[in-house]
Amino acid sequence: GAGVSQSPSNKVTEKGKDVELRCDPISGHTALYWYRQSLGQGLEFLIYFQGNSAPDKSGLPSDRFSAERTGGSVSTLTIQRTQQEDSAVYLCASSLGLFSGNTIYFGEGSWLTVV
Amino acid sequence: AQTVTQSQPEMSVQEAETVTLSCTYDTSESDYYLFWYKQPPSRQMILVIRQEAYKQQNATENRFSVNFQKAAKSFSLKISDSQLGDAAMYFCAYRSADANDMRFGAGTRLTVKP
Repeated sequence: GAGVSQSPSNKVTEKGKDVELRCDPISGHTALYWYRQSLGQGLEFLIYFQGNSAPDKSGLPSDRFSAERTGGSVSTLTIQRTQQEDSAVYLCASSLGLFSGNTIYFGEGSWLTVV
Repeated sequence: AQTVTQSQPEMSVQEAETVTLSCTYDTSESDYYLFWYKQPPSRQMILVIRQEAYKQQNATENRFSVNFQKAAKSFSLKISDSQLGDAAMYFCAYRSADANDMRFGAGTRLTVKP
């Protein structure tokens, strides 16, 4: 696609429910990133993919968080048994590859509210 | 671990004037990249400007320029002829040459007054 697409744009869920956030990167981009942005805060790195592989999951906040990517394209971030502290904007980004000089393009984010 | 510090939570500038946003970072690396991203209310992070650490010349993009001081680990953003559309959160970011992620500062909220 023309840009990084994320869905849903906004999600309100009850505490304890599971949620799935979807990211469709720019076509041809092999690297994909997930960040979390809490209200009024900077961006917290969660995980990256090169192709379908996520070599380092240490940035995920807890074992309730998981992410996968299939076909080298769409990625899903899943939060199980959501807690109120999970409320944040979840930003997905992609780049041509992992080379640090590559520009990283962001989507508009999924705003998650846990009530 | 690398850290990025933006010491100005909020800044204000008059339309058509110039404003400078500060950013410092802490690293032991010699090869890295620095970025300024803009986040308007739409939430989408937009790349404003980037600087390669091995380049001594400061990057410029139209009304946006940086003052990169490698020894001081400083990377400030200058916005000239400020426009109402420049109002947004601005994030400074660092990426090591061999890292797989970027580290962001806490951001500076820029208000442009008409």
